[in-house]
Amino acid sequence: DTAVSQTPKYLVTQMGNDKSIKCEQNLGHDTMYWYKQDSKKFLKIMFSYNNKELIINETVPNRFSPKSPDKAHLNLHINSLELGDSAVYFCASRTGGAGETQYFGPGTRLLVL
Amino acid sequence: RKEVEQDPGPFNVPEGATVAFNCTYSNSASQSFFWYRQDCRKEPKLLMSVYSSGNEDGRFTAQLNRASQYISLLIRDSKLSDSATYLCVVNMGGNTGKLIFGQGTTLQVKP
Repeated sequence: DTAVSQTPKYLVTQMGNDKSIKCEQNLGHDTMYWYKQDSKKFLKIMFSYNNKELIINETVPNRFSPKSPDKAHLNLHINSLELGDSAVYFCASRTGGAGETQYFGPGTRLLVL
Repeated sequence: RKEVEQDPGPFNVPEGATVAFNCTYSNSASQSFFWYRQDCRKEPKLLMSVYSSGNEDGRFTAQLNRASQYISLLIRDSKLSDSATYLCVVNMGGNTGKLIFGQGTTLQVKP
């Protein structure tokens, strides 16, 4: 009965590879997000989708491409992985309205070697 | 200047102590404010929303000063289980729900 789930939890890969992270929420929320938390613990928004429509697209290398097949899923594909991509990637979702809580997934720990 | 600034700490306090965290934000158009808690190697979870009138939830009290663009969190009677990183979070408004996170303040409560 996990609310926001991500797969995989851990991802170790070589530079130059392409990888995907999947996120699913069963809360019935309309909006989903991808965040990156780097080694200094800063959590930064990357993308957001509202009902399959891209609504936030921060300054992120175009090697990162989000895809939302439906409003319960938001996946993140990363091409040509670089060492600096190593981080924890969190998915989150919320219902709507500026004051609404965002619920986070458990995170995907990506290590690029 | 960072959009949301916090003292990263760590704050090391004994059990039972009262500890206060502060946070400042740079964008005066910010609309809503939160404290999230993040345990080691876990996801952030909402601790409480912050209102201008101040709000309290058990041992936790949050305060917002819009004029000074300042947010605070007070924890009374600290427990070992309060050890975590506390993230000050600002919602920039609009219908995107874009959140800006501070770096977090680490609290270690010792027996």
